[in-house]
Amino acid sequence: GQQVMQIPQYQHVQEGEDFTTYCNSSTTLSNIQWYKQRPGGHPVFLIQLVKSGEVKKQKRLTFQFGEAKKNSSLHITATQTTDVGTYFCAGRYGGSARQLTFGSGTQLTVLP
Amino acid sequence: SAVISQKPSRDICQRGTSLTIQCQVDSQVTMMFWYRQQPGQSLTLIATANQGSEATYESGFVIDKFPISRPNLTFSTLTVSNMSPEDSSIYLCSARTSGGAKENEQFFGPGTRLTVL
Repeated sequence: GQQVMQIPQYQHVQEGEDFTTYCNSSTTLSNIQWYKQRPGGHPVFLIQLVKSGEVKKQKRLTFQFGEAKKNSSLHITATQTTDVGTYFCAGRYGGSARQLTFGSGTQLTVLP
Repeated sequence: SAVISQKPSRDICQRGTSLTIQCQVDSQVTMMFWYRQQPGQSLTLIATANQGSEATYESGFVIDKFPISRPNLTFSTLTVSNMSPEDSSIYLCSARTSGGAKENEQFFGPGTRLTVL
């Protein structure tokens, strides 16, 4: 079946360092979404990328969608302790009626 | 945006019993979903709850084990039937908004933490 691979599984950084998580699909995605889940919480929608090569920014977060629409990345500049949590990508294959396929998530720990 | 509530928030159940989880959305949504998430793991889609008709189940999940209802646009239930310890997990209700610029944004409920003894 269709799978979205996400790496790394875990990442520990010192506060102020940058962080990046990557997602990859073997087949073309129609769009990709990113979610953040705080420890003990539920996933919260961050952003959706639709266009080939799209780049979107939210303050210190930069999201990219690859030219082939098979990969995506989330980059956080100068991490803060509030960035702690698990970041999931979720890809959609086909039209909007199709469901999301979640990546395995990257658990980010920020050391003060 | 949509706010989703679930109840119960957690439960401890005996093997062989059933538990029904309720999900309420504060606004009309086009689609509602049920996910399962093991602690520290990713989300696995169980089924799409369809209003007024049978749910659409993903591979590995069947109606007899996870009956789902969706009587209207804002409410759904998931029943975990004949439970075993392997059913211990967090069950999340999710919904997608209808229309607008964030049409595909998906919202999640707080989850129901189920422990089966």
